[in-house]
Amino acid sequence: GAGVSQSPRYKVAKRGQDVALRCDPISGHVSLFWYQQALGQGPEFLTYFQNEAQLDKSGLPSDRFFAERPEGSVSTLKIQRTQQEDSAVYLCASSLQGWIPGNTIYFGEGSWLTVV
Amino acid sequence: KNQVEQSPQSLIILEGKNCTLQCNYTVSPFSNLRWYKQDTGRGPVSLTIMTFSEDTKSNGRYTATLDADTKQSSLHITASQLSDSASYICVVIFSGGGADGLTFGKGTHLIIQP
Repeated sequence: GAGVSQSPRYKVAKRGQDVALRCDPISGHVSLFWYQQALGQGPEFLTYFQNEAQLDKSGLPSDRFFAERPEGSVSTLKIQRTQQEDSAVYLCASSLQGWIPGNTIYFGEGSWLTVV
Repeated sequence: KNQVEQSPQSLIILEGKNCTLQCNYTVSPFSNLRWYKQDTGRGPVSLTIMTFSEDTKSNGRYTATLDADTKQSSLHITASQLSDSASYICVVIFSGGGADGLTFGKGTHLIIQP
């Protein structure tokens, strides 16, 4: 596709349920980022992949959060035993190579997660 | 801790007027600074990328300025249109850091009224 694609667009989960959020980056983009955005706030970093390697997962808030990108393209963010504080928009972004000035970071439309 | 502060938090202006949004940062050492536009319910869209050596960059009706000495950037919108209503997010990247070094501001929520 032409842009970063995320699915599902909206997800309502019962507390304690596991969810999986998918990201299809722009074809050929080496770098992939996941962010969490609460209402009225800027995106907060979760994790970063370069190809299939997860180089930074320092932003994952707990061990209930897990991300993978096994073949260096599609990525999945999994949240186990969801809690109400996990309710947020989860943004995926990709770039050709990192965050050097010549590389635009493109964002998907986000997956809106509501935990009830 | 590296921080990015944006002001004002929200702004309402009439269609056709100009406005300026501010971004102050403490990120050091600095690599580049980006402005994004985020429509309600959508993902952020890149407007500009500025490096240390650039002090002004334009993208249509959007003009970004950067003063790396005072660590300030501004985004000026000329002849505002209703479609400019959105949140504008400043992102500062410091060199030598990891992916968590992309520091996002909380954004300025801009509303254009007819």
